[in-house]
Amino acid sequence: NAGVTQTPKFQVLKTGQSMTLQCAQDMNHEYMSWYRQDPGMGLRLIHYSVGAGITDQGEVPNGYNVSRSTTEDFPLRLLSAAPSQTSVYFCASSYRRQGSAGYTFGSGTRLTVV
Amino acid sequence: DAKTTQPPSMDCAEGRAANLPCNHSTISGNEYVYWYRQIHSQGPQYIIHGLKNNETNEMASLIITEDRKSSTLILPHATLRDTAVYYCIALMSPRNAGNNRKLIWGLGTSLAVNP
Repeated sequence: NAGVTQTPKFQVLKTGQSMTLQCAQDMNHEYMSWYRQDPGMGLRLIHYSVGAGITDQGEVPNGYNVSRSTTEDFPLRLLSAAPSQTSVYFCASSYRRQGSAGYTFGSGTRLTVV
Repeated sequence: DAKTTQPPSMDCAEGRAANLPCNHSTISGNEYVYWYRQIHSQGPQYIIHGLKNNETNEMASLIITEDRKSSTLILPHATLRDTAVYYCIALMSPRNAGNNRKLIWGLGTSLAVNP
């Protein structure tokens, strides 16, 4: 199993550009989520999905859009990049059943907005 | 969601047991205690979780106090590769994911395993 695959691993954007961070999992997990991690701060939830066609906002959703058309894929779109969105982004997935093992994380996308 | 408190850093000698404490005094009855670790620049890695009983797997043991207000993650024979930031989280099952939107991961405990 590949687990959770994130692409790209690194990206530099200019302010105002848009881009999509890709996340795919091959474990048939119902739950998928996007986090950002900044120096001196813990992981913060951006958006999450409990199944195909269902998404909801997390703690810091502004400036980001998501969609979940398939169980496997959960892309994160930056509509108009800002320097404040410079961060490391992690995608995570898990089963939804009670007491299931925890999230499986991708290896991250390091985004710099100049 | 229950907030957890962990010491910011700990040291451990290679080959010795590493005992990482976590306080979660406001944990509710349906919240599990999950432990993750993050090795530098990598994505967090799931270690273990439990509700009431002590748990053990190939990576670690989890000891939860009877009142569930605190827990300890035990790495029985720490190696240099266990140097990482360890996060303790009180988390409802993903079935109740709507309650996780404000989940705060915190800064965890930075464990340094020394040769």
